[in-house]
Formats: sequence, C-alpha cells, structure tokens
Amino acid sequence: DTEVTQTPKHLVMGMTNKKSLKCEQHMGHRAMYWYKQKAKKPPELMFVYSYEKLSINESVPSRFSPECPNSSLLNLHLHALQPEDSALYLCASSQDRDTSSYNEQFFGPGTRLTVL
Amino acid sequence: RKEVEQDPGPFNVPEGATVAFNCTYSNSASQSFFWYRQDCRKEPKLLMSVYSSGNEDGRFTAQLNRASQYISLLIRDSKLSDSATYLCVVTPNTNAGKSTFGDGTTLTVKP
Repeated sequence: DTEVTQTPKHLVMGMTNKKSLKCEQHMGHRAMYWYKQKAKKPPELMFVYSYEKLSINESVPSRFSPECPNSSLLNLHLHALQPEDSALYLCASSQDRDTSSYNEQFFGPGTRLTVL
Repeated sequence: RKEVEQDPGPFNVPEGATVAFNCTYSNSASQSFFWYRQDCRKEPKLLMSVYSSGNEDGRFTAQLNRASQYISLLIRDSKLSDSATYLCVVTPNTNAGKSTFGDGTTLTVKP
C-alpha cells in the first residue's frame, strides 16, 4: 500500500469557521508533511513531523495548527483563515530513517480549500 | 539566486520526440534528488529518484552531476500522456527535512 489519503477533497469555509484537514498513511513512514500549493506554483512546505514530533514549522501563521495524533495520522486545524489562504493543501509522508537511501516523499491527493 | 532552478519552459514537442529538462541547485550539501510529475489539479507523483550513477526507467533517464550541481531528466519517444509539469526536488540530507522544489517545467506533447 503506497497510498496517502486526505479528507475532505474539497472544503469551502468562511473566515470565522473552524475546520480540520485529515491525512492518513499506512506505509510505516515516520515523517509527515503539510504543503500549501497555489496555482502554477510549486508546493510550499508548511510543517514537518518526524516520529510524531514537530520538527519544522516554516513560520506558518498560528491560524494553521498541525497535530500528529499517531504515526499514521496528521491533521491540520484551521481557524480564522483569510481568503488568500485558499489553495491546495497537500500532505506527504516519507520513511525518515538514516538507512533510507533517498527518502522519497509520497503525496496525498490534496484538499482544495476555498476561504470566503 | 533560487536554491533550485529549472528550465523555464514551456516545452511543446511532437509525439515521439526526445526532450530533456535540466535543473541546477545551489546547496552543495544536497544529498537526495528527485523528479516528480504533476498533472493539472492533481498531486505531485514521484517519477524517479536520481542516483549518483544515473538511472533509467523505460523511456526516462535521470542523471546527476554533483561537480556542476545539476540534475537532468531525459524523456525519449514522448507520449501524449507525458504532458504534465515536471518538478525537480532537492533535499539536503536523507532525513526528513526541507525539500526544495523547483518552479517546474511544463511539457505538452502534441499529436
């Protein structure tokens, strides 16, 4: 199973709403990532979790709050977002082991978020 | 200068053509190199990891030149289904960390 799943596929929310994005993988990967991607731009890293601990936060505004309940799950909690936060939010995972030769990242299909 | 720079493209080629993409990176400590393809409104999918010795997978060949700090992707006998954006990705070490993406090169293969 080389699949990363994400829910929901689409999300429309108002600026006062609270919502959560969910990501799951069952590949035994110990690193999980959140990316934001705008149209015609490459993915932009937001957060990295390594062995369920937050290891990288790319100065993301606090209205985005990540959570890693266990090694298979990754959530992104959203609150008081702005219209410019509308984007495709991608989750990825990788093995994250010193013995892993190349640490490829596998991406989920993404959640397309629209903030009104 | 960007950390990872790709050919700006777009590339428009006929079916059956051979096309090559180049990507340069500035961090000499970079360890892992990948090519991903991304179809419109879809997620990036790993196409190839790029090994020091170069590697080939069917019609696709990837090369790494550490001395000149560039990687390349060669696609032979282009198919319509190869039309996509190709992303060069560079990672500083083999552990989870910040991968740097190039801006992508768009390929359109025409009948």
